[in-house]
This record gives sequence, C-alpha cells and structure tokens, in this order.
Amino acid sequence: DIQLTQSASSLSAYVGDRVTITCRASQTISTSLNWYQQKPGEAPKLLIYLASNLQSAVPSRFSGSGSGSDFTLTISNLQPEDLATYYCQQTYSTPTFGGGTKVEIK
Amino acid sequence: EVQLVESGGGLVQPGGSLRLSCAASGFTFSSNWMHWVRQVPGKGLVWVSRINSDGSSTTYADSVNGRFTISRDNAKNTLYLQMSSLRVEDTAVYYCARVSLYCSTPRCSDAFDLWGQGTMVTVSS
Repeated sequence: DIQLTQSASSLSAYVGDRVTITCRASQTISTSLNWYQQKPGEAPKLLIYLASNLQSAVPSRFSGSGSGSDFTLTISNLQPEDLATYYCQQTYSTPTFGGGTKVEIK
Repeated sequence: EVQLVESGGGLVQPGGSLRLSCAASGFTFSSNWMHWVRQVPGKGLVWVSRINSDGSSTTYADSVNGRFTISRDNAKNTLYLQMSSLRVEDTAVYYCARVSLYCSTPRCSDAFDLWGQGTMVTVSS
C-alpha cells in the first residue's frame, strides 16, 4: 500500500494568515492526490482533486500543488469557518488517506 | 437532492454481525463505483472496501478481508456492507462515498465527491 504522511498533526494560525499543509507519498503517485476538509461532526468534503484542481463551489482561497510524491494544500487568508481537519488521499492505487492535519484558529 | 444516507449501525457483541446500508438518491447510482470508509471517533479516515458500478468486482482492506462483504443493488439504489466476526477494533463511524472520475489534461483520476453522514458501529461486550 502507498503510505501518505502529513507531517503536522495540528497547527494554529490567525484569521487572515496563510496556512500550508504538506503531504508526502511513500512512492510516486503522479498527481493522483486529493484533499478533503472535515469539519467537527461532519462528513469529509472534497476540496481539491488531481493535486491542484479546485472542486466546484470551494472558495478560491484554497489551492493545491505538487506532483510525484510531495504535495501542498494552501489556505490563503484563513477564515474562522476553515476550522477543520484536512486529509490528503491518493487514488493512484487502492485508496489511502494521510493521518490528517487539524487547523485551529488562534 | 443528491445524497447518500447510511443506516444499520448500532451496538453489537464481539463475534457478531451487522449489515450497513447506504441509500443513494438524486443521481444515477448504477454509474458510479462506491466505497466504504471508516473513522474511529477522534482519529483519521481509513479506507475499507470498494465495489465497481455493476457489482462484479470488489476490493477490501487487509484488516477486513474475509470478514466484510460489500455489495450493491442497483435496482434499489443501495450499497451494503455485511460485517461479520466483528472485533472491538471495528468500532468506528462508517461512511459510504461515491467515486467520480475527474480529468485535467492530460490526466484523469478518481475522487470521493459525495459522502453520507455516517453510521456508528460499536463492538463491545
């Protein structure tokens, strides 16, 4: 199985900050990498597909980049409603998820 | 409304069985592969199983292989997860998820674009 490592399990930032979340794959996965947002008590929601493409209706302050084995999710201008846990997922082979990064607002 | 609604969760003793259902509406259920994903409360997402659009092909995580069976009834727009020989470590919220193919030249790949609200399974004596 392909392992995904999100190096930060949590981070804290101020409203208006730029936040970067990283995800590293144990082998190259091209751009078969998705990002999900899970707010407390809710199901996950697709934010980014194919590493850098914004899902419909997702605010443009979210962006993704990377290819191969290193990927980044960026939230520019952090908002209070962005309090959530963010997961990366690879669909290059049998799906796996990263461990998640919890974003807290200072 | 496009949605997935899970049901069937509950409390079961170790070694017992349970069948989860996921009712789909608002889209052509028979066109999509479907997956089950679970999450221990407070922990991360773990992929469990998948089934192709006509039900002829299935895949399982090693942790549930041989104990869980995924199936679907396209006439009823419903996905199932039959769980047997349940263990304490199977305790989790179980989500069903729809897969759609997304393309951005020159590549295409899957993403889980619709999720149910989840159903809690508790395995305890």
